[in-house]
Amino acid sequence: GENVEQHPSTLSVQEGDSAVIKCTYSDSASNYFPWYKQELGKRPQLIIDIRSNVGEKKDQRIAVTLNKTAKHFSLHITETQPEDSAVYFCAASIAGTYKYIFGTGTRLKVLA
Amino acid sequence: NAGVTQTPKFQVLKTGQSMTLQCAQDMNHNSMYWYRQDPGMGLRLIYYSASEGTTDKGEVPNGYNVSRLNKREFSLRLESAAPSQTSVYFCASKPGQGTYEQYFGPGTRLTVT
Repeated sequence: GENVEQHPSTLSVQEGDSAVIKCTYSDSASNYFPWYKQELGKRPQLIIDIRSNVGEKKDQRIAVTLNKTAKHFSLHITETQPEDSAVYFCAASIAGTYKYIFGTGTRLKVLA
Repeated sequence: NAGVTQTPKFQVLKTGQSMTLQCAQDMNHNSMYWYRQDPGMGLRLIYYSASEGTTDKGEVPNGYNVSRLNKREFSLRLESAAPSQTSVYFCASKPGQGTYEQYFGPGTRLTVT
């Protein structure tokens, strides 16, 4: 069945450094790839997404890159701040359905 | 707009008890979803409703039933709760075909003892 693998499961960076989280998906027909941020006890919040016809998308300190050939996509956070500390989830759409498969999450800690 | 709302926020059940989790959205969205979130497992889809009048199974439907009561409301029922159903449950919605972004509710934390 469809699968999304997410790495690493935990990531610690110094404030001001960059953080990169990677996801690999199995369905070559997936065409939508969102990233969610979830703070402790809160709901997942969409922070950035990318469609399969685009290779990269940026929004201030956050960027997502997509490599369709290799079936992987990555979240890049630059100039990290303590408030970036949270769990981040990637997801991929399942072609021909209204469903999404989520990765298992990355706990990011930004050390002041 | 309240967005996506869920009730209750917290619930403790004994094994074998039943309950219904409620979800409503006021954004006129067509599609609605129920996920469960367990530590280290991400979000797993239980059931979804692509549009009013339709429901389909997700990855982990066993032990659950759903009702799409109308366009606004999508409920999740546990007929006979088991400790394995201890989890945080999130409802989500999205506008419909051709749109992609999901909007999540605040979640229900369920403990089954």
